[in-house]
Amino acid sequence: DQQVKQNSPSLSVQEGRISILNCDYTNSMFDYFLWYKKYPAEGPTFLISISSIKDKNEDGRFTVFLNKSAKHLSLHIVPSQPGDSAVYFCAAKVGGGADGLTFGKGTHLIIQP
Amino acid sequence: DSGVTQTPKHLITATGQRVTLRCSPRSGDLSVYWYQQSLDQGLQFLIQYYNGEERAKGNILERFSAQQFPDLHSELNLSSLELGDSALYFCASSGGPAEGYTFGSGTRLTVV
Repeated sequence: DQQVKQNSPSLSVQEGRISILNCDYTNSMFDYFLWYKKYPAEGPTFLISISSIKDKNEDGRFTVFLNKSAKHLSLHIVPSQPGDSAVYFCAAKVGGGADGLTFGKGTHLIIQP
Repeated sequence: DSGVTQTPKHLITATGQRVTLRCSPRSGDLSVYWYQQSLDQGLQFLIQYYNGEERAKGNILERFSAQQFPDLHSELNLSSLELGDSALYFCASSGGPAEGYTFGSGTRLTVV
């Protein structure tokens, strides 16, 4: 039973355009969400997070949107750059809880020149 | 360099064997998490330690065990290895429940 789902295994976007990565979750107890970026042969690196008390968090070119009623979040990257090509993992947890993060399977973003 | 160190980077071993993966957390972080990433799978949470004590368990097999030592480094022990245990094993650390995790670069285990 996958509690965090990333339904697009891969996404191809032209350089300079907007990249939108989607994530759905089923556990209504989740109240803290994170995005991680992973390059080959490296561990995932933290990108941006959002608490369930917010519906938007922005950090430079990266914006995460949270729609609690739909149990959906998305990561927007504007403008997309070649260095953004990586696998992006959506993760969720019960804030303040001891359990580890629950990750999706990842979306491989490819930025085309 | 994320500050989380995992050794070894690569490990090849035979079925039935036992291996130990090592993780040194980022300086000052008390929590250590172990994750497994198999082919076509996301990161599966295995186990968490906090300041030397087991804090949470995920999908960890009984053949696997872990511990965190007084100096806060952690070891993941995998025994009676099977072909299906071949995967990337990541360690992460954090300073608290509200913080994001810092991951190491992983140990690639290949069971032949």
